[in-house]
Amino acid sequence: AQSVTQLDSQVPVFEEAPVELRCNYSSSVSVYLFWYVQYPNQGLQLLLKYLSGSTLVKGINGFEAEFNKSQTSFHLRKPSVHISDTAEYFCAVPHGGATNKLIFGTGTLLAVQP
Amino acid sequence: GAGVSQSPSNKVTEKGKDVELRCDPISGHTALYWYRQRLGQGLEFLIYFQGNSAPDKSGLPSDRFSAERTGESVSTLTIQRTQQEDSAVYLCASSFPGQGFGYTFGSGTRLTVV
Repeated sequence: AQSVTQLDSQVPVFEEAPVELRCNYSSSVSVYLFWYVQYPNQGLQLLLKYLSGSTLVKGINGFEAEFNKSQTSFHLRKPSVHISDTAEYFCAVPHGGATNKLIFGTGTLLAVQP
Repeated sequence: GAGVSQSPSNKVTEKGKDVELRCDPISGHTALYWYRQRLGQGLEFLIYFQGNSAPDKSGLPSDRFSAERTGESVSTLTIQRTQQEDSAVYLCASSFPGQGFGYTFGSGTRLTVV
């Protein structure tokens, strides 16, 4: 089964600063990778996904992520964050096999301060 | 509908009572998932439906938990004899079949067992 690891439970950052949220996956086969965002008291919303092709994936709200096979990483980046980006961010990978379920990381709280 | 709809949005119940949570997926999404999110934690997979069959029930925590789905539409998650540890946000998601599509989540049902 595949899995993802988000090492940072919380990332504080000042407004307009760049940010990187880390995600590492474990897989020996081709992977699909996803980033979701959860704003307070809401469900999760898909930010971006990597299926194949270009390793740099652009998503909504100015976020992008880079698939790095050699480092088994899929880090999320934004060059300049806003207060409104404060949310929980989850990396996810399909479990594999016959089920289509996604396995989620434990999440990273991005706390943007003025 | 345009999105995944969950009801109720909030539910407070007494310990020992049964509760039913409802999920109305996006039309055409044959895959439906239930997850549980305890306070400050990540997403815990509960069950996956493809159509009205459930090929993966591996995440249901005990026999007090059950779920049904009518055709390719509404699903209900039932928790019998609720316990305080059942308190969580229950999230439903739907998608087209296949691992590359990603999910669309509902806003969740916040269950509080007192």
